[in-house]
Amino acid sequence: DIQMTQSPASLSASLEEIVTITCKASQGIDDYLSWYQQKPGKSPQLLIYDATSLADGVPSRFSGSRSGTQYSLKISRPQVDDSGIYYCLQSYSTPPTFGGGTKLELK
Amino acid sequence: EVKLQQSGDELVRPGASVKMSCKASGYTFTDYAMHWVKQSPGQGLEWIGTIIPLIDTTSYNQKFKGKATLTADKSSNTAYMELSRLTSEDSAVYYCARRYGGYLDYWGQGVMVTVSS
Repeated sequence: DIQMTQSPASLSASLEEIVTITCKASQGIDDYLSWYQQKPGKSPQLLIYDATSLADGVPSRFSGSRSGTQYSLKISRPQVDDSGIYYCLQSYSTPPTFGGGTKLELK
Repeated sequence: EVKLQQSGDELVRPGASVKMSCKASGYTFTDYAMHWVKQSPGQGLEWIGTIIPLIDTTSYNQKFKGKATLTADKSSNTAYMELSRLTSEDSAVYYCARRYGGYLDYWGQGVMVTVSS
């Protein structure tokens, strides 16, 4: 199975910061990487797909990038509503595997 | 509007089975695979398996083989997951999610399964 190592596990950021969350794949995944946001008691919501494409309706302050086998989710000038848990998912090979999640708190 | 409506929360006895549903609307059910994901309390997400309704083909995470059984009813646009021989380890929220390309674009609201005597 492909391992997705997500970091950090949690972070607290101010509204003026740029927040970056990373997922490192244990092998190449050909950009079959998506990012999801989950709020308490809710189902995950798609943010980014194919590593860099913004899902419909997602604010442009969210962006995705790749460097080697490390994928990043960036939130520029986050809003309070961006608090939640973020997950990456690789779907290059079966079984699809999620990162461990990053809990983001905005202060 | 695409919607995945899951069945209600379940309280089940240890050793029993539970079958939950995921009714799809707003798109052609047979055009997309349906995935199922487990989220244990306070934990992350874990892929259980997938079904391609058009050809009734399934694929499972090795960890869930023998535990989960995925089916689909094309006539009612509904996917099902049955979990058998339940233990406390199966207490979790279970999501269905539509796969589009390489990602999960729509998710159901989740079914909370509580295994308790």
